[in-house]
Amino acid sequence: EVQLVESGGGLVQPGRSLRLSCAASGFTFDDYAMHWVRQAPGKGLEWVSGISWSSGSIHYADSVKGRFTISRDNAKNSLYLQMTSLRAEDTALYYCAKDVAASGTHAFDIWGQGTMVTVSS
Amino acid sequence: FMLTQPHSVSESPGKTVTISCTRSSGSIASNYVQWYQQRPGSSPTTVINEDNQRPSGVPDRFSGSIDSSSNSASLTISGLKTEDEADYYCQSYDTTNQGVFGGGTKLTVL
Repeated sequence: EVQLVESGGGLVQPGRSLRLSCAASGFTFDDYAMHWVRQAPGKGLEWVSGISWSSGSIHYADSVKGRFTISRDNAKNSLYLQMTSLRAEDTALYYCAKDVAASGTHAFDIWGQGTMVTVSS
Repeated sequence: FMLTQPHSVSESPGKTVTISCTRSSGSIASNYVQWYQQRPGSSPTTVINEDNQRPSGVPDRFSGSIDSSSNSASLTISGLKTEDEADYYCQSYDTTNQGVFGGGTKLTVL
């Protein structure tokens, strides 16, 4: 079964850091680009970051550039999002999503169940 | 650029509904448009990729198109079922490879 399972979310104080993980299974992980997408409570979807199959192409939304770092470990079939200098507005459910192509086309065919990040003092 | 969707639409079971997604600047044909369905309390699922491609398992009641004259994309759902009631999001990306989502449209089937 093709599956993405996120973990690492939780309650964190403003200014602190958190690292999210996404474990992939059921497909050849290093054949595809991957993305993080978030959804604030009661709000719409927001693309956060994307990484190509080889990590050679990485992109961020302006709202997180300089604070978040996306990475992947193809040997471990895992995607990561290192989040620093967290703000209240980063509070959201963070989804991991699989691209349909290796280089990244922003066409997602598989989504995880999400991991909740709450930034509050 | 931004992608603008109607906040909500409603239609009766068995009917056909179309949800629009208008690109604010640049050509809608420049980059593929995707459509995602999100039922309450669930993760999004893909109903249309690359303007008009249905992933396996998506019924052919769902179709996508783009219209360069209105610079918009559309998702059409025919033979509406109550299970189609959900939020629908269009999505594309810009020249810097940043993803862009529309604000979402709440479909009510009543």
